[in-house]
Amino acid sequence: ILNVEQSPQSLHVQEGDSTNFTCSFPSSNFYALHWYRWETAKSPEALFVMTLNGDEKKKGRISATLNTKEGYSYLYIKGSQPEDSATYLCAVPGAGSYQLTFGKGTKLSVIP
Amino acid sequence: DTEVTQTPKHLVMGMTNKKSLKCEQHMGHRAMYWYKQKAKKPPELMFVYSYEKLSINESVPSRFSPECPNSSLLNLHLHALQPEDSALYLCASSQGFGVEDFNQPQHFGDGTRLSIL
Repeated sequence: ILNVEQSPQSLHVQEGDSTNFTCSFPSSNFYALHWYRWETAKSPEALFVMTLNGDEKKKGRISATLNTKEGYSYLYIKGSQPEDSATYLCAVPGAGSYQLTFGKGTKLSVIP
Repeated sequence: DTEVTQTPKHLVMGMTNKKSLKCEQHMGHRAMYWYKQKAKKPPELMFVYSYEKLSINESVPSRFSPECPNSSLLNLHLHALQPEDSALYLCASSQGFGVEDFNQPQHFGDGTRLSIL
């Protein structure tokens, strides 16, 4: 079982603030790192899948970076909006099969 | 709108009932998954079907019985469940289940909220 950790567990920010949170994972036998956004009463939505060390991906105001050598990824949200309120999950597949191990998530609340 | 459809959205059943959860996708994905999610915890994998064959069963009790009638459908049959089985059950799909598919995301349904009385 892979150890995938996310921090912080929860975060409250004011509308307009920028924020970031962390996902750490085992750096050995790395294949990919997935980020998902999960809004209440909706399905988890894929944000990014990252595979290369130094990779940086962007989707609107959200971006993510990846460091496979030290085993971490950062997710950044610029100018947070209330609609960004959600739980952000990261996940990694295990060795040899596409079986995702999820972190416990970071719950973001953006206060208008 | 999600591309993975789960029914029902909510289910309340007694411990002696038999019910089924259904999941459908029309993206041509060859791998489908059942996850169980309890409050404040991440989704836990229960079963994986790859090319309509059961690939992974994560030591799930036999009161949960998965079925994959075809490549678009995935069912989870429930019988004699316990109160601790109350949870959100998520279905997901992906293009495949091999190493070559690691760079593709999983697509999730909205889930079925199950309550056992």
